[in-house]
Amino acid sequence: GQNIDQPTEMTATEGAIVQINCTYQTSGFNGLFWYQQHAGEAPTFLSYNVLDGLEEKGRFSSFLSRSKGYSYLLLKELQMKDSASYLCAVRDYSGNTPLVFGKGTRLSVIA
Amino acid sequence: DGGITQSPKYLFRKEGQNVTLSCEQNLNHDAMYWYRQDPGQGLRLIYYSQIVNDFQKGDIAEGYSVSREKKESFPLTVTSAQKNPTAFYLCASSTGLADYNEQFFGPGTRLTVL
Repeated sequence: GQNIDQPTEMTATEGAIVQINCTYQTSGFNGLFWYQQHAGEAPTFLSYNVLDGLEEKGRFSSFLSRSKGYSYLLLKELQMKDSASYLCAVRDYSGNTPLVFGKGTRLSVIA
Repeated sequence: DGGITQSPKYLFRKEGQNVTLSCEQNLNHDAMYWYRQDPGQGLRLIYYSQIVNDFQKGDIAEGYSVSREKKESFPLTVTSAQKNPTAFYLCASSTGLADYNEQFFGPGTRLTVL
């Protein structure tokens, strides 16, 4: 089976740091993606992890632990424009869907 | 400018009518995908295509049909057999199905069936 869990909503303050967690149980694993999606718009790619550890890209970092089936997205120096949904997706070729998405975490950044 | 276009952005149809959503890309990508997104839900795959004249069903293909006659185009038809067609439809493309190939998404079409 395929299951990806993320918190439904989070709120954080402008300038702060927020961590969005993602746990997954999938039959196969060939990498994990994070996407950002503003309301009513298309998702845009943020990061890809296939090996354990931390990948840093500017204000955004993504971590993966394959043994724990766990990833997180870390957003630093939060800005109001970071208010969006963040989608965790796992590459799994074992089923009908080569990329399985979680339901997304809606992040609200407040002043 | 390379990218993916979907048209129209908003579409209204009466129940029982078939409707075709367009998706065009000029990124020279081999693979194309159709997803459906409902409020509070993740993206669910309807169909995908790795090459011209070939496509595979995703998790929720019932009531939908696709064609891939050209590399640039992957239209989706929502048929009257789809029981709950009102949703936000997203088209995506990628260079292939390799592990690291991220998908690029179009702006989406919001379909409302009255």
